[in-house]
Amino acid sequence: AQKITQTQPGMFVQEKEAVTLDCTYDTSDPSYGLFWYKQPSSGEMIFLIYQGSYDQQNATEGRYSLNFQKARKSANLVISASQLGDSAMYFCAMREWLSGSARQLTFGSGTQLTVLP
Amino acid sequence: SQTIHQWPATLVQPVGSPLSLECTVEGTSNPNLYWYRQAAGRGLQLLFYSVGIGQISSEVPQNLSASRPQDRQFILSSKKLLLSDSGFYLCAWRPGEVVQETQYFGPGTRLLVL
Repeated sequence: AQKITQTQPGMFVQEKEAVTLDCTYDTSDPSYGLFWYKQPSSGEMIFLIYQGSYDQQNATEGRYSLNFQKARKSANLVISASQLGDSAMYFCAMREWLSGSARQLTFGSGTQLTVLP
Repeated sequence: SQTIHQWPATLVQPVGSPLSLECTVEGTSNPNLYWYRQAAGRGLQLLFYSVGIGQISSEVPQNLSASRPQDRQFILSSKKLLLSDSGFYLCAWRPGEVVQETQYFGPGTRLLVL
């Protein structure tokens, strides 16, 4: 079973408008972390935002915010005031426990966002 | 500040040839290190991770191997490449402290096996 589900293979948004990228997750671990990464065409994975399962407030980082709905197991990324440079692939990921102190990230299949001028 | 390097940036290799991809991290000590592979248009798949020198854990059985000869060096290898090894290989690091969650990625290596 998929642990991270991103149901939107592609999204379009007009420049300067807000856009929401969906992410749902599945875990029985009471302690977990959720991440969003941006991957432009260059390939580098750029960390955007993190939400811990015990965090009371939704995470925000500049124009990025994470709409965390724990009961629904969703962690949607909201990008406000979209810019042309936001066009990229966006991945949702979840932290799971591994042996020792390493923690695995499980990634979704990604959403390709295109910002239109 | 911490930086992560990968080389080469791109690589074209024939089937059956060996492989060595290198990843180094600067500006931190005792990081957790990770190798991921991304097939075209797909998400990331964890291949190996390491919590210390000489400590390697494999997540997916395959013809690849990893080694960590130094604290901040992580190497991905193969004795004989397969066509299915083509992809984008990303190295990532995370501080060894428990409280730090985020993994930071290198620029990646694009491998094409012909």
